[in-house]
Amino acid sequence: AQSVSQHNHHVILSEAASLELGCNYSYGGTVNLFWYVQYPGQHLQLLLKYFSGDPLVKGIKGFEAEFIKSKFSFNLRKPSVQWSDTAEYFCAVNADDYKLSFGAGTTVTVRA
Amino acid sequence: DTGVSQDPRHKITKRGQNVTFRCDPISEHNRLYWYRQTLGQGPEFLTYFQNEAQLEKSRLLSDRFSAERPKGSFSTLEIQRTEQGDSAMYLCASSLGLAGNTGELFFGEGSRLTVL
Repeated sequence: AQSVSQHNHHVILSEAASLELGCNYSYGGTVNLFWYVQYPGQHLQLLLKYFSGDPLVKGIKGFEAEFIKSKFSFNLRKPSVQWSDTAEYFCAVNADDYKLSFGAGTTVTVRA
Repeated sequence: DTGVSQDPRHKITKRGQNVTFRCDPISEHNRLYWYRQTLGQGPEFLTYFQNEAQLEKSRLLSDRFSAERPKGSFSTLEIQRTEQGDSAMYLCASSLGLAGNTGELFFGEGSRLTVL
């Protein structure tokens, strides 16, 4: 079974700082990769996804993620965060054809 | 609102009582998922339905848990003889077709269970 590791539990940074959240997965075959975000009081929503092709994928709100197959990684980045990016971020992997396996999540707090 | 809706949003119950949660997926979605999320953890897969057929149940789902989707539309998750360890957020999600290939699970806001 696949598993997902997110390296940081809680990240605190100031507005305009750059953000990078690490995600590694354990599965040797073909995977589909996702980042979900949960803003305070809201439901989980998709930030971006990778299926195939260009390993650098762009999502909503200026986020991007890079799939590095050799490192089993799918790190999330944003060059300049805003206060509204305060949220919990989850990396997820799909290796079966029907369900996602999620990491433990990273709480991001952006100070104004 | 045409998203996934869950009811109730919050449920407080005493240990040993039964509770039931309902999920209404996005109407054209034929796949429906239940996940459980505890503090500091990501969502953990419990079970899923393709139309009315329940196709997999996680080991997390003890025999006190049962889920149904009788007409392939809404689903219920029942927990019998609740225990304090059942306290968690129960998330429902739906998708059209294969989750991986279509790319996205659409989540509801969850039903938070507190067992006293």
